[in-house]
Amino acid sequence: AQSVAQPEDQVNVAEGNPLTVKCTYSVSGNPYLFWYVQYPNRGLQFLLKYITGDNLVKGSYGFEAEFNKSQTSFHLKKPSALVSDSALYFCAVRDFNNDMRFGAGTRLTVKP
Amino acid sequence: DARVTQTPRHKVTEMGQEVTMRCQPILGHNTVFWYRQTMMQGLELLAYFRNRAPLDDSGMPKDRFSAEMPDATLATLKIQPSEPRDSAVYFCASAQGGLGREAFFGQGTRLTVV
Repeated sequence: AQSVAQPEDQVNVAEGNPLTVKCTYSVSGNPYLFWYVQYPNRGLQFLLKYITGDNLVKGSYGFEAEFNKSQTSFHLKKPSALVSDSALYFCAVRDFNNDMRFGAGTRLTVKP
Repeated sequence: DARVTQTPRHKVTEMGQEVTMRCQPILGHNTVFWYRQTMMQGLELLAYFRNRAPLDDSGMPKDRFSAEMPDATLATLKIQPSEPRDSAVYFCASAQGGLGREAFFGQGTRLTVV
């Protein structure tokens, strides 16, 4: 079965600095990878996805993610973090079974 | 603005009572997921449907949980009898067909079993 791993429970960055939230995946066949963000007491919001094509995917709110097949990674990035980016971030994968499974989540804190 | 609607948003119930959570997927979406979120377990996939047919419900405790889609506009998740360990936030999400399609989430039902 497919799975994703988010190795960091918590990421802390200073406002204005670049941020990276890590995700690695394990699938049979082609990976369909997603990033979501969750603000307190809210549902998950879609940020971006990789299906095929360019390894660098751009999404909402200035976020991007880099797909690396050899390292089986799909790290989320942003060149300049904002305090308002502080939230819980989830990586997810879909495969031929059609389900969608999530990583454990990474709490991002951006300090002024 | 299309969205997934979940009701109720909050539910407090006594142990042993039946709980029913409802979800209205986005019109035209043929895949529906149920997730449970807790601090300890994170986001667990409980069950999912495609074209109203259950594809996998292996994530659910079968003795007390059941998930159905009576029609294309309604998905339900029932717990009978409820237990304190069922306290969690339950999310419904829907997606169009195709593996490359993202899922859209509802606001969740926060369940507290006392």
